[in-house]
Amino acid sequence: AQKITQTQPGMFVQEKEAVTLDCTYDTSDQSYGLFWYKQPSSGEMIFLIYQGSYDEQNATEGRYSLNFQKARKSANLVISASQLGDSAMYFCAMREGWGGSNYKLTFGKGTLLTVNP
Amino acid sequence: DGGITQSPKYLFRKEGQNVTLSCEQNLNHDAMYWYRQDPGQGLRLIYYSQIVNDFQKGDIAEGYSVSREKKESFPLTVTSAQKNPTAFYLCASSMRPRLAGVYNEQFFGPGTRLTVL
Repeated sequence: AQKITQTQPGMFVQEKEAVTLDCTYDTSDQSYGLFWYKQPSSGEMIFLIYQGSYDEQNATEGRYSLNFQKARKSANLVISASQLGDSAMYFCAMREGWGGSNYKLTFGKGTLLTVNP
Repeated sequence: DGGITQSPKYLFRKEGQNVTLSCEQNLNHDAMYWYRQDPGQGLRLIYYSQIVNDFQKGDIAEGYSVSREKKESFPLTVTSAQKNPTAFYLCASSMRPRLAGVYNEQFFGPGTRLTVL
């Protein structure tokens, strides 16, 4: 079974509107972290936002927020007031556990977001 | 400025040749990682290193080799044994996972696009 599932291969949004990118995860660990990265066409991965499994409040970073529903095992990224520069691939990733076993980030297959003017 | 550099940006290889991709970081991070990205796929971990002179295989290590002689450098060699090496390769670094817990952001370099002719 996939550990990270992003069901939307592509999404379109109008400039200045909000958009939600879906991410569901699968883990039996109680302690884990969820990350969202943005990958523009240049290829570099840019860290956007993090949510820990024990965090009670949803994470926010500027125009990015994470809709964390632990019981549903979902960690959707919400981008408010979309800008043309938001057009990129977006990846959800998870790190499980603590200590030496938590070296690994497991990535989903990504969602290609296109912002239309 | 602190960051990760990868060179070259584009690399062409003939079948049967070994090639080495460079990755250097000046973030003073202990841990470094190599990922491979294919079209339509997320990132997959090739190798990682938590400290100098130590490295571990990731999910797809066959046909690749690494070394970690210096903290700043983690070169990846794509050998002739790698049957389908054409891909985008990303290097990343982070604090040592044992010390950082689940919130351990990985910082990525700009990537190297390898094409086998």
